[in-house]
Amino acid sequence: QQQVKQSPQSLIVQKGGIPIINCAYENTAFDYFPWYQQFPGKGPALLIAIRPDVSEKKEGRFTISFNKSAKQFSLHIMDSQPGDSATYFCAASVTGGFKTIFGAGTRLFVKA
Amino acid sequence: NAGVMQNPRHLVRRRGQEARLRCSPMKGHSHVYWYRQLPEEGLKFMVYLQKENIIDESGMPKERFSAEFPKEGPSILRIQQVVRGDSAAYFCASSPLLGDNEQFFGPGTRLTVL
Repeated sequence: QQQVKQSPQSLIVQKGGIPIINCAYENTAFDYFPWYQQFPGKGPALLIAIRPDVSEKKEGRFTISFNKSAKQFSLHIMDSQPGDSATYFCAASVTGGFKTIFGAGTRLFVKA
Repeated sequence: NAGVMQNPRHLVRRRGQEARLRCSPMKGHSHVYWYRQLPEEGLKFMVYLQKENIIDESGMPKERFSAEFPKEGPSILRIQQVVRGDSAAYFCASSPLLGDNEQFFGPGTRLTVL
């Protein structure tokens, strides 16, 4: 119930491609779904987040799609660049709660 | 405005020694979270603290691990009698409000137990 399942584990795309990372959750109490980007040797940094009252949110080249009935959400990176090569984590939490539950991560490599 | 600071960045300990990891939250933040990240895995919640209070320690092992966030000074995660399985990256995050969803992460402390 507390898990967030993330796929794929790793992803290789060409520059300009659109990598898509998917996450699924069980706990319907979750109401905040952030995505974090982590470079080697660094801490995770918040990239973009969504709440269940919208089905899509876009910030720059990053878009979250959210399907409340399926309990799934995904990250799309438009016009991907080699500098986007990093590990991406989806997460879920309950507003007013204390825990953020993280997916296992997706290692993205964008070929030049 | 400095971000979340953690030190040391790298820590090497022999089995049986103690490890102390420090975290200074962002200015104005009074809520601190500790996470552990094993190689090739996601972050696992360990403990959530406010100044002088442990709010939720459900993710922290009952034995050998403890955390504090005193009125003055940084938050400290303490691991006594370390074992090889404690080798991991430990991340601290802070937030300004109780139960605030948005957390800001530090660079982490990489603990290696020989």
